[in-house]
Amino acid sequence: EAGVAQSPRYKIIEKRQSVAFWCNPISGHATLYWYQQILGQGPKLLIQFQNNGVVDDSQLPKDRFSAERLKGVDSTLKIQPAKLEDSAVYLCASSIRQGRGKTEAFFGQGTRLTVV
Amino acid sequence: DAKTTQPPSMDCAEGRAANLPCNHSTISGNEYVYWYRQIHSQGPQYIIHGLKNNETNEMASLIITEDRKSSTLILPHATLRDTAVYYCIVRVFGNEKLTFGTGTRLTIIP
Repeated sequence: EAGVAQSPRYKIIEKRQSVAFWCNPISGHATLYWYQQILGQGPKLLIQFQNNGVVDDSQLPKDRFSAERLKGVDSTLKIQPAKLEDSAVYLCASSIRQGRGKTEAFFGQGTRLTVV
Repeated sequence: DAKTTQPPSMDCAEGRAANLPCNHSTISGNEYVYWYRQIHSQGPQYIIHGLKNNETNEMASLIITEDRKSSTLILPHATLRDTAVYYCIVRVFGNEKLTFGTGTRLTIIP
């Protein structure tokens, strides 16, 4: 079974530039998450999709971050314009509800963004 | 979702059992306890989950106290590859939201 695919793996941009990250979840997974992980901290949920609808984007800085999930499959996360504090690893995950109360989220390798 | 409290770091000797505690004193009756771990430079990985009974799988065991206010993740024979940050998460089944805290950094010592 293929895992969650993310690209690019690394990105270096200057502040005020824009950047986009792409995620392809595991086939059949209805829920897709984007997380921001700053060095030394736990992952912070930015946005959660259920199919192509947004379930939770309460921690997404909407003045500069945007995300979409077209046709309920692939997703893109965009930052425009980037700030120095956006330097982090951006993780995409997908999940499916299983039996016995289990919902297992599968994570991609992440995109390491450096803003200079 | 209920808040969890974990020690920031722990050490364990290779080959010994690693016992990672988690406090979730405000847990509700319909909330499950989940454990994930994150090895350096990788995304988090699911380990185990439980509601009120103890659980065991090929990776670990989960012991939940009778009042469900705390739990312990047990890695029975720790190896160097178990060095990672371990996250204890409480979530309502049916609510797919997954909220991470700061976790416990476990270091396995040769």
